[in-house]
Amino acid sequence: TQLLEQSPQFLSIQEGENLTVYCNSSSVFSSLQWYRQEPGEGPVLLVTVVTGGEVKKLKRLTFQFGDARKDSSLHITAAQPGDTGLYLCAAPMDTGRRALTFGSGTRLQVQP
Amino acid sequence: ETGVTQSPTHLIKTRGQQVTLRCSSQSGHNTVSWYQQALGQGPQFIFQYYREEENGRGNFPPRFSGLQFPNYSSELNVNALELDDSALYLCASSLAGTVSSYNSPLHFGNGTRLTVT
Repeated sequence: TQLLEQSPQFLSIQEGENLTVYCNSSSVFSSLQWYRQEPGEGPVLLVTVVTGGEVKKLKRLTFQFGDARKDSSLHITAAQPGDTGLYLCAAPMDTGRRALTFGSGTRLQVQP
Repeated sequence: ETGVTQSPTHLIKTRGQQVTLRCSSQSGHNTVSWYQQALGQGPQFIFQYYREEENGRGNFPPRFSGLQFPNYSSELNVNALELDDSALYLCASSLAGTVSSYNSPLHFGNGTRLTVT
């Protein structure tokens, strides 16, 4: 069974602070995705990382894929209230299914 | 471009009843996947449909079944509802079957919130 563990589960910070959330597994993945889900909505894809050690930036968000392709991190610089949401990491399940296994998410609350 | 739409948005059912949830895929997408998201958890893969056939299944019992129609829309049926079936049911569409579609991302709908009492 492929498991993705995310930490922390909850994070409440003030606007302007920096934060990092983590996604860890004992399994090696061909790629890993990060999604953000807001209340009452479905997850929205933020980024896909595919190469060990890869770093991708999306405005104030920096995503890193571990060298061994077992873990990933998401760093947000100068968080804003609009960053509030559930951040989910996801990776492909067994080959041939084209389905994703998700972590349980980090719920981020950014206070103005 | 029309996104993924799901209906109904909310539903309340009684234990033992049956329910049907509906999903219209994004324009141009031929694959539909269904996920169950319990409160405080990440989505869990139920099954996927491609060319009107089930194309992969997660750890869900047979009382969870589905259909895909020629226009790529889909239904999720759950029989003999249990209290633990209360969750947000998410539909996601993507494009499969071509080399360029290998890394086609999933596009999620906003889900159906099912409450079983």
